[in-house]
Amino acid sequence: GNSVTQMEGPVTLSEEAFLTINCTYTATGYPSLFWYVQYPGEGLQLLLKATKADDKGSNKGFEATYRKETTSFHLEKGSVQVSDSAVYFCALSDPMNRDDKIIFGKGTRLHILP
Amino acid sequence: GAGVSQTPSNKVTEKGKYVELRCDPISGHTALYWYRQSLGQGPEFLIYFQGTGAADDSGLPNDRFFAVRPEGSVSTLKIQRTERGDSAVYLCASSPTGPQDGYTFGSGTRLTVV
Repeated sequence: GNSVTQMEGPVTLSEEAFLTINCTYTATGYPSLFWYVQYPGEGLQLLLKATKADDKGSNKGFEATYRKETTSFHLEKGSVQVSDSAVYFCALSDPMNRDDKIIFGKGTRLHILP
Repeated sequence: GAGVSQTPSNKVTEKGKYVELRCDPISGHTALYWYRQSLGQGPEFLIYFQGTGAADDSGLPNDRFFAVRPEGSVSTLKIQRTERGDSAVYLCASSPTGPQDGYTFGSGTRLTVV
């Protein structure tokens, strides 16, 4: 079945450091890929998405590129801020295979130190 | 409404009791999803409604769990004979059409079974 694997946290970085959170997926079809973020005390929010191979999703300085050849969707940001501290979830849906739900990874907690 | 509303925000119940959790999706969103999130884990899919009907209930863990959406808007998740293992945050999300658009999540109901 479809699944998502993301790097375990917590990840601790200093402000202005470069961030990568790895995510790989397994899917039988051509899934849509997502990153969701959960800030402390808040609900899950969609951060960015990509719906086909080589698409790049971007938002708030974060980027992720849909790599079909490596089945990956790594999240990157060039210079993190303290306000980026949150839990990040990689996720996929596979509607073309009649899988009308989003499957989430376990999440990666990110701590940014001032 | 402006967002997905879930009530109550917190619920403490005794083992063996019956609980109902309510979700009020964004007006006009036809797709509604229930997830469960345990501490340190990603959201786990429970059930998906398209309109009034349950399109996919494969994530419901057992027959103590049931959900309805009688008029295609508000949904209620019902748990009978609660067990301590049911303690989690129950998340509701809605989407205009389906998962490819991403979801808007509510803030969740934290259920504690004592």
